[in-house]
Amino acid sequence: DTGVSQDPRHKITKRGQNVTFRCDPISEHNRLYWYRQTLGQGPEFLTYFQNEAQLEKSRLLSDRFSAERPKGSFSTLEIQRTEQGDSAMYLCASSLGRGRAEKLFFGSGTQLSVL
Amino acid sequence: KQEVTQIPAALSVPEGENLVLNCSFTDSAIYNLQWFRQDPGKGLTSLLLIQSSQREQTSGRLNASLDKSSGRSTLYIAASQPGDSATYLCAVISNSGYALNFGKGTSLLVTP
Repeated sequence: DTGVSQDPRHKITKRGQNVTFRCDPISEHNRLYWYRQTLGQGPEFLTYFQNEAQLEKSRLLSDRFSAERPKGSFSTLEIQRTEQGDSAMYLCASSLGRGRAEKLFFGSGTQLSVL
Repeated sequence: KQEVTQIPAALSVPEGENLVLNCSFTDSAIYNLQWFRQDPGKGLTSLLLIQSSQREQTSGRLNASLDKSSGRSTLYIAASQPGDSATYLCAVISNSGYALNFGKGTSLLVTP
C-alpha cells in the first residue's frame, strides 16, 4: 500500500492555458474522488468514479473541467482555458467500497496557481 | 443543501489539556460522518468514521460522538500533544450520493 499519488505537486500556469493533473489511487481501490480546496475552506466535491464509470459530478464542474479514469486505474483531471478562480488545491481520494461506509484515503494534492 | 459548520474556527491550548471540537450539520439524513486531520499543505487523513446508526467511535486518544437527530458531532481529544496541531475537518455523506460535505475545519495549536 503506497498511498494515493498525485502529480504534479505544484503547477503554475497562465490564464487561458490548459492543465492536466494525474491521480494514482491505492491499487485495488475501485472508487476514486476529486475534490477542490481553497485556502481556509473545506474540500468541495467535484466528481466520483466507480471503476471506470463517472457516476457523480458536482455542479461546480463546469464545461471547462473534464475527468477520466480509463480502465478503472489512474485518473486525470483536465482544466481547459484556466481562470484565476481555478487556483486551488486539487485533491484526489480513493476507497475500496461496496457500500458507502468506507474510509477515504487522500493524496497530498496538486496546488494550482493561475496567473 | 447540506451545510456543515465547525466551531471554533481556531483553538490554542497548552499541552496536556483535554479538548472538544464541535461539528453541526443541517440535514440529519446522513449515511455517515467522518473526522479528518489535515496538516499544512498536505492531504487529509481519516481519523474516525461513525455510521448513522452508531453513537460514537474511539481511536486511541480520540473519541467522536454523533447525535444525528440534533445534527451534531463532537471530537474529543484527550491529553493533547504538540503533534496534534493541525486542522480538523468534519464531513458528512448524505443518504443519496457519494459526495462528502465538509466543514471549514478547526485549526488547532497545542503549545508545549
